[in-house]
Amino acid sequence: DVKVTQSSRYLVKRTGEKVFLECVQDMDHENMFWYRQDPGLGLRLIYFSYDVKMKEKGDIPEGYSVSREKKERFSLILESASTNQTSMYLCASSFFPQGANTEAFFGQGTRLTVV
Amino acid sequence: GEDVEQSLFLSVREGDSSVINCTYTDSSSTYLYWYKQEPGAGLQLLTYIFSNMDMKQDQRLTVLLNKKDKHLSLRIADTQTGDSAIYFCAEITPGYSSASKIIFGSGTRLSIRP
Repeated sequence: DVKVTQSSRYLVKRTGEKVFLECVQDMDHENMFWYRQDPGLGLRLIYFSYDVKMKEKGDIPEGYSVSREKKERFSLILESASTNQTSMYLCASSFFPQGANTEAFFGQGTRLTVV
Repeated sequence: GEDVEQSLFLSVREGDSSVINCTYTDSSSTYLYWYKQEPGAGLQLLTYIFSNMDMKQDQRLTVLLNKKDKHLSLRIADTQTGDSAIYFCAEITPGYSSASKIIFGSGTRLSIRP
């Protein structure tokens, strides 16, 4: 059974804290993605990675960074958390290259609240 | 840039057909997808269509693609309470690196009336 696992379902952090969101996949996928999901805005891509140590900015990378030291793990880092980063964060992975059968598999999501 | 648009809400009566619509802007999209998100869960792929196809049917699901108008629709026949979810339209766009990225719409929340 394929699996994308996010380390936490719920997190509450204080403004200014450094926050790490971890994602692990067991499918040997090359591509990994971080999205945030907000009501009415759908999923917005923060960063993605197509190989170890490779990363590309998505549509809203400001205030975030990522790390991909191992193929199976993709971390999202909030350098200094702010209240406007309160959101649901979704990690996904897929094979490369993209094709009809290379669907993205999603984790359960981490609901982050910054107070 | 790329953009995928959907209406935010749809309400249908149980047993009726649901039609969820989506428009996209990138004519170079190769695949278009429909994902389903149930409450408290991540997204799961429902179905997909190649950009050179007009229609795809899979049991209760029918996907229609109008490339000229860049319009995609998902029809769910005989809608059931278990179909209540948020449905996301998504497209694959050629990446500016060696990766492609998936662009999602805002999602349509489907609710079922008894």
